[in-house]
Amino acid sequence: GDSVTQMEGPVTLSEEAFLTINCTYTATGYPSLFWYVQYPGEGLQLLLKATKADDKGSNKGFEATYRKETTSFHLEKGSVQVSDSAVYFCALAGTYKYIFGTGTRLKVLA
Amino acid sequence: NAGVTQTPKFRVLKTGQSMTLLCAQDMNHEYMYWYRQDPGMGLRLIHYSVGEGTTAKGEVPDGYNVSRLKKQNFLLGLESAAPSQTSVYFCASSRDPSNQPQHFGDGTRLSIL
Repeated sequence: GDSVTQMEGPVTLSEEAFLTINCTYTATGYPSLFWYVQYPGEGLQLLLKATKADDKGSNKGFEATYRKETTSFHLEKGSVQVSDSAVYFCALAGTYKYIFGTGTRLKVLA
Repeated sequence: NAGVTQTPKFRVLKTGQSMTLLCAQDMNHEYMYWYRQDPGMGLRLIHYSVGEGTTAKGEVPDGYNVSRLKKQNFLLGLESAAPSQTSVYFCASSRDPSNQPQHFGDGTRLSIL
C-alpha cells in the first residue's frame, strides 16, 4: 500500500541555518504531495503542495520539489527562524484518504 | 472564516464513561476525517466519511463510532472510554482527496482516568 517515510527528528538548528527534512513515498501512480506544519497546541496547517511531477511548492520561504525519479518531496528552507520551530508532516493524497509521515520536530535556537 | 471547528477543546473522562466529539465545517466539503495523535505515533486515521450519510473505518477504528447525518458535521463517539483512548483528536475535511489538501481543526485534548 501507499506509504510516506520522513527523517527521524528532532532536528535542532541555529537561527539562519539551512534546513532539509527528507520525505520519500511509495504509491501507485503520481499522487499529490503535501507538507503540513503543526505549532504547539494547534492543528495541522497546510504549508505547501505539489500536484504533479517536477512541480515545486513554496510558501513562507519553504520549498519542496516533486521528484518522481527518486519518489521524494524533501522540504527545504534557506534560513530558518526561531518561529519555524514546529513539527512538520509530509503527506500524500490517496483515493479517499491521506497518508502521513510520522512527523519531524524542528527546534531552532537563537 | 471558521473552517473546521471542534468541540469541546478539552475533556476529562472516567473509565467507562461515554462522550461525543463534534466536528463542524463550513466549507461544503464532501470528505471528513477523524484522527488521533499520540506522542511519537504521528497521525492515525480512526474513521472517515466520503459524503453525507457515509462512514468508513480507518487504521484504528476499535472503540469508536461515527456518524455523518449532515454534510457539515462529523461526530466521533466513545461508548465506553478506556485509558488507552487518552489522546489528542483532530478532525479534518477536504474537497477532493485526490489533489486537494485537508483542513484541520485545532484538536480536542481528551484524558481518560
